[in-house]
Amino acid sequence: DADVTQTPRNRITKTGKRIMLECSQTKGHDRMYWYRQDPGLGLRLIYYSFDVKDINKGEISDGYSVSRQAQAKFSLSLESAIPNQTALYFCATSAGTSGRTDTQYFGPGTRLTVL
Amino acid sequence: KQEVTQIPAALSVPEGENLVLNCSFTDSAIYNLQWFRQDPGKGLTSLLLIQSSQREQTSGRLNASLDKSSGRSTLYIAASQPGDSATYLCAVGDNQGGKLIFGQGTELSVKP
Repeated sequence: DADVTQTPRNRITKTGKRIMLECSQTKGHDRMYWYRQDPGLGLRLIYYSFDVKDINKGEISDGYSVSRQAQAKFSLSLESAIPNQTALYFCATSAGTSGRTDTQYFGPGTRLTVL
Repeated sequence: KQEVTQIPAALSVPEGENLVLNCSFTDSAIYNLQWFRQDPGKGLTSLLLIQSSQREQTSGRLNASLDKSSGRSTLYIAASQPGDSATYLCAVGDNQGGKLIFGQGTELSVKP
C-alpha cells in the first residue's frame, strides 16, 4: 500500500461549489504539506502543518483552508471553487526536526477541474 | 524572495548519452536542495537530497552537486536509458525550516 494517499484522484466540479481533498499517510511523519502544480509554474506551497496543532500559510493560501484532523490526516478545502483553481494538487509529508527540512514524500496527486 | 530556475525546460537525448540538468537559485541561504523525478500522472519521487554543507550526493547512475556560493546545482545522469524519461524537478529547502521552493522542471526524453 502507498505511504501517502490522496482522495479523490480526479474531480470535476462547478464554480462556487465547496470541495474537500483528503490526504492520509502511514509514514508516521509529523509534517504535512499541500502543493498545487500548474503547467510551467512548478509546485507552489498552499499550506503546511508541522504537527496537529500547527497550521501555516504557504505562498498561495488565498481561497483555500485546511484541517489537520490527526497526525495521519490533512485535508484541503476550497470553500467556493473558481476556474483558476483548476490544477494538480499534491500532498506531501516529511519527518523533519526543528529548524531543518528533510526529504518530502509525495502522494499521487488529485487532478481538480473547476468549470 | 527565493526563486528557483531550471534550464532547459525540455531535453531530448539518444539512449546511452551522459547528460546534465541545471538548477539555479537566487538566495544562497538554503538548508538543503532536493532533486525529484515526476512521471506522467504520478506524484514526485525523491532522488537525492544534498545538505547545504555538502558538495555532492550520488545514487547509482545519478550524481547531484551543489555550489551554494554561486547558487547552482546540477544533476548528472550517466548512460541514460529510456526509463529515465520523466520530468526532473529541483527544490531548495528554506533556512526557516520545512518549506520547499520548486523550479519549473526539466522534461527529459531518452530515445531508444
